[in-house]
Amino acid sequence: GIQVEQSPPDLILQEGANSTLRCNFSDSVNNLQWFHQNPWGQLINLFYIPSGTKQNGRLSATTVATERYSLLYISSSQTTDSGVYFCAVDPIYNQGGKLIFGQGTELSVKP
Amino acid sequence: KAGVTQTPRYLIKTRGQQVTLSCSPISGHRSVSWYQQTPGQGLQFLFEYFSETQRNKGNFPGRFSGRQFSNSRSEMNVSTLELGDSALYLCASSSGTGAGELFFGEGSRLTVL
Repeated sequence: GIQVEQSPPDLILQEGANSTLRCNFSDSVNNLQWFHQNPWGQLINLFYIPSGTKQNGRLSATTVATERYSLLYISSSQTTDSGVYFCAVDPIYNQGGKLIFGQGTELSVKP
Repeated sequence: KAGVTQTPRYLIKTRGQQVTLSCSPISGHRSVSWYQQTPGQGLQFLFEYFSETQRNKGNFPGRFSGRQFSNSRSEMNVSTLELGDSALYLCASSSGTGAGELFFGEGSRLTVL
């Protein structure tokens, strides 16, 4: 099956710094989503981005489907950005409703 | 509109018992999928229902089952609980055919003693 790899696994930043999180996937996908898991466990939608670039405030994401990777950019990081970031893909052979998740990047932003 | 609602949020069971978790999707969404999250295995897909039919199933034993009702609400059941079933169980809903964008609930955290 498809493999989804996220890097780095852990990241420590000083408040105000910028960061880039990467997601590589091994097969073609229908779509890709980025999530932020809050301390209570809920997955918060960041981007639904099968291809191209999207921006939402200090966050932006780019997916290059032909090269099978996606990037999540966080600018001017804040302590509230801390948590685990997941990318998840819907493989092209899917019948639907099944996302394959990466192992996540745990981000810690220090004041 | 209301998001995905999962109940109960927390529960404690003992080995050998069974448990039923409930998920109400976003209004109008017909697809509901379930995921298990553990520290060792990460987030793993359990199954997905669309219009009361199981459309996709992950690699879990038969002790894990689910169903979807005509109003799109879904339940999952785990029978003969094992210690390793302790996990956060997340439900997600999406609007239509194909995966589309998934929206997750807050999860049900199960502890098996």
